[in-house]
Amino acid sequence: KAGVTQTPRYLIKTRGQQVTLSCSPISGHRSVSWYQQTPGQGLQFLFEYFSETQRNKGNFPGRFSGRQFSNSRSEMNVSTLELGDSALYLCASSLSGGPGDTQYFGPGTRLTVL
Amino acid sequence: AQSVTQLDSHVSVSEGTPVLLRCNYSSSYSPSLFWYVQHPNKGLQLLLKYTSAATLVKGINGFEAEFKKSETSFHLTKPSAHMSDAAEYFCVAKGVKTSYDKVIFGPGTSLSVIP
Repeated sequence: KAGVTQTPRYLIKTRGQQVTLSCSPISGHRSVSWYQQTPGQGLQFLFEYFSETQRNKGNFPGRFSGRQFSNSRSEMNVSTLELGDSALYLCASSLSGGPGDTQYFGPGTRLTVL
Repeated sequence: AQSVTQLDSHVSVSEGTPVLLRCNYSSSYSPSLFWYVQHPNKGLQLLLKYTSAATLVKGINGFEAEFKKSETSFHLTKPSAHMSDAAEYFCVAKGVKTSYDKVIFGPGTSLSVIP
């Protein structure tokens, strides 16, 4: 079974631009979560989607948004990029996101904002 | 607020000696608990998980963890460290507030293995 894939793997943008990251979950997984990882803040939860609906949301500004498609693939969008948005963005998928459900992580997208 | 605490930001051990990485969580009921490992420039890999079955959980690569509800702890251990164990380790809790609550990551512990 193919793992979680994320595209692109690396991205360089300038302040004020917007960016879209893509995540393809493991086949059969319906829950997709997004995380931001930085050296200073560690791993922070952005949001979780299940059956095309946002089920949970972390404490990030509205510039961070996401969506999930009927095939469970997910995208996250960051508008009006700031220098502080430079981070590794990780996507994780699980069967249903329920208690005890294991999350499987993709390799991440490294975003650099100049 | 619900939280996961990893008591050591960095642990250094000699190859062949035991490893202990500590994790405590705060919760009004027993969450599901996980340990993940992240090698440099790699994604996170699941080591093991606890989901209210046996309190001693065995994982991959010789790691195990024991859930102690009275101490709200889920420490990770390995009898003998290997050079390939050098990585960042994250303790993770899910369901700390409701069953479908978001996942909460600890701050991570960096493990160094000295030859």
